[in-house]
Amino acid sequence: GAVVSQHPSRVICKSGTSVKIECRSLDFQATTMFWYRQFPKKSLMLMATSNEGSKATYEQGVEKDKFLINHASLTLSTLTVTSAHPEDSSFYICSAREALSYNSPLHFGNGTRLTVT
Amino acid sequence: DQQVKQNSPSLSVQEGRISILNCDYTNSMFDYFLWYKKYPAEGPTFLISISSIKDKNEDGRFTVFLNKSAKHLSLHIVPSQPGDSAVYFCAAKGGSGNTPLVFGKGTRLSVIA
Repeated sequence: GAVVSQHPSRVICKSGTSVKIECRSLDFQATTMFWYRQFPKKSLMLMATSNEGSKATYEQGVEKDKFLINHASLTLSTLTVTSAHPEDSSFYICSAREALSYNSPLHFGNGTRLTVT
Repeated sequence: DQQVKQNSPSLSVQEGRISILNCDYTNSMFDYFLWYKKYPAEGPTFLISISSIKDKNEDGRFTVFLNKSAKHLSLHIVPSQPGDSAVYFCAAKGGSGNTPLVFGKGTRLSVIA
């Protein structure tokens, strides 16, 4: 089945630094990838839609200058948390759908636990 | 405004019995529904889905029921096994394009041996 790989799985960084998270579709091409964020005991909240070769679409309330998304190829999207602060600490998960049918499951990476100290 | 609601944050079931997880939605444009299972510090894993043209879909021990008039779906797991203990998320999608999923808050299922 389709596999989405996310790296790193865990990162601890100091306040003010930037962190890059990579999301790869391993056995399929993904023109669109979705980035979600999960707070403790909360639902998965969509942050942005990453489109290959064009600008990402951000959900309301998500700062595009803080969460930089780059989708440079059909198999790779990156999320960079810039000038991270403790409130950015969260579980970030990317997902993608094989382009065979749009009514099909999203496949998720294993997530990245970001801790900002 | 939450479009997908899972009103039970947790559920405990004995091994071998049926687990029933419920989900309600408010957006009538949703036409594709999914259930995901999630362990801590991992991404969600797809379990089963149903299109709005159906009212039931079965896959092994998992069955999803959809009641469109009530905007309600449920996931039945029978028989429940200890390995089923996890958080279960209900998700929905609307529109014909490559659109994201909207998730409920999840229900933590504990299957007791």
